[in-house]
Amino acid sequence: GAGVSQSPSNKVTEKGKDVELRCDPISGHTALYWYRQSLGQGLEFLIYFQGNSAPDKSGLPSDRFSAERTGGSVSTLTIQRTQQEDSAVYLCASSLKTSGTHEQYFGPGTRLTVT
Amino acid sequence: SQQGEEDPQALSIQEGENATMNCSYKTSINNLQWYRQNSGRGLVHLILIRSNEREKHSGRLRVTLDTSKKSSSLLITASRAADTASYFCATGLSGGSYIPTFGRGTSLIVHP
Repeated sequence: GAGVSQSPSNKVTEKGKDVELRCDPISGHTALYWYRQSLGQGLEFLIYFQGNSAPDKSGLPSDRFSAERTGGSVSTLTIQRTQQEDSAVYLCASSLKTSGTHEQYFGPGTRLTVT
Repeated sequence: SQQGEEDPQALSIQEGENATMNCSYKTSINNLQWYRQNSGRGLVHLILIRSNEREKHSGRLRVTLDTSKKSSSLLITASRAADTASYFCATGLSGGSYIPTFGRGTSLIVHP
């Protein structure tokens, strides 16, 4: 079946502009995660959605970052007033929480470049 | 803070050799997972080992877990050039957290 998809695959934006990144999780997966990966670094957790529960926003680096998940499916990560340090690959993952394994399925990522 | 940390940061071997990567973590876990990331791509799940397991195999992969030392190792036997990638460990924390925490990864290069 279809995996996790993300769009756009690449985004170049000017400093100060807002950007929206989209994630389509695997159908039926109740958990959705956003991570950020800077060049040569590990994954930095940003936000986690689980079903209809309030999202865990503990990883968002500033109030310029926000995310929503509509209808328990598609998620959008919004970065307002982008800064150069926001340049990174933004990865989305989904998992079937009830599986008990919490294996995550990752999308290909969106490479964001802020000039 | 990073829960899991991989060691070494980089590993370069010849095709056919075995590759061993280690992961250390700090707090109690209920499972540990290994993922692979090819350059410019998303992560792919390789194997999960639960806290009550000591060893697990999947094809050419062998994972061990030592909860007393808070460490895990990933062994890739008879490596191939296609195994060139970054490898990450992720820990599922005890206490109900469903947010796997990733280390910085080991960059493996397998020379043909």
